[in-house]
Amino acid sequence: KAGVTQTPRYLIKTRGQQVTLSCSPISGHRSVSWYQQTPGQGLQFLFEYFSETQRNKGNFPGRFSGRQFSNSRSEMNVSTLELGDSALYLCASSHGTSGNNEQFFGPGTRLTVL
Amino acid sequence: AQSVTQPDIHITVSEGASLELRCNYSYGATPYLFWYVQSPGQGLQLLLKYFSGDTLVQGIKGFEAEFKRSQSSFNLRKPSVHWSDAAEYFCAVAPSYNTDKLIFGTGTRLQVFP
Repeated sequence: KAGVTQTPRYLIKTRGQQVTLSCSPISGHRSVSWYQQTPGQGLQFLFEYFSETQRNKGNFPGRFSGRQFSNSRSEMNVSTLELGDSALYLCASSHGTSGNNEQFFGPGTRLTVL
Repeated sequence: AQSVTQPDIHITVSEGASLELRCNYSYGATPYLFWYVQSPGQGLQLLLKYFSGDTLVQGIKGFEAEFKRSQSSFNLRKPSVHWSDAAEYFCAVAPSYNTDKLIFGTGTRLQVFP
C-alpha cells in the first residue's frame, strides 16, 4: 500500500509569509504526527493528531498550528515565517489506537525561508 | 525530563567491519525505545523497537539492539556493515504510553569506506 505522502516536497518563502504543508497518512492510519528537523536542533516534535483531535503538542510558538481532517489527512500551518523556520518538516502516521505504535514517516517537506 | 543521548556524532567504518552505535536514555519507567535510519533526502525508516520482553531485539537490514536497564542504554549493532548502510541513525524514546510522540537523539552519521 502507498506510504505517507507529503506535499509539496520543496517550498521557498520569504519572511513574514505563511505556509501550509500537507500530509496524507497511510490508508487506515488515524494518527498523524509532525516533526521539525534542523541541523542545530535536530528532530523536534511539533504535534500529534488522532481522529481530528490534537493529542499532544510540542514546545513551539503559536505560529505553528495544525489540523486533521475526517479522512485523517493533516495540514500544518506556519504563520509569520522567520528565517529560523527553515527546516525539513516530517510527518508520520500510525494506527494510533494504542501506545507507541509503529510510525511510518513521509519524505518530508523542505521549507526555505528567505 | 526524558532525553536521549547519542554520544557519537560521526562514525567511520570499513565495509565488512562490525558496528555499534551508542544510545543512552533518561526515563523514569521502562521506556519504549526505537532506532530509525535516515538516508540523504529521505524520511525516517524504523529499524527496530523495544517495548518489553527479550532485551535483545532484531530489526531489519541485519541490525540488532540490546536494552540494558542498568546502563540506561539501547545500543545498535550490526556484525558486518555494507556500503549501503551509510546514513544517519537516530535513537528515540517514547515518553508516554498513550501518544506517538517521540524524543529523538541528535543522531549519528555513519560513513562506510570500501
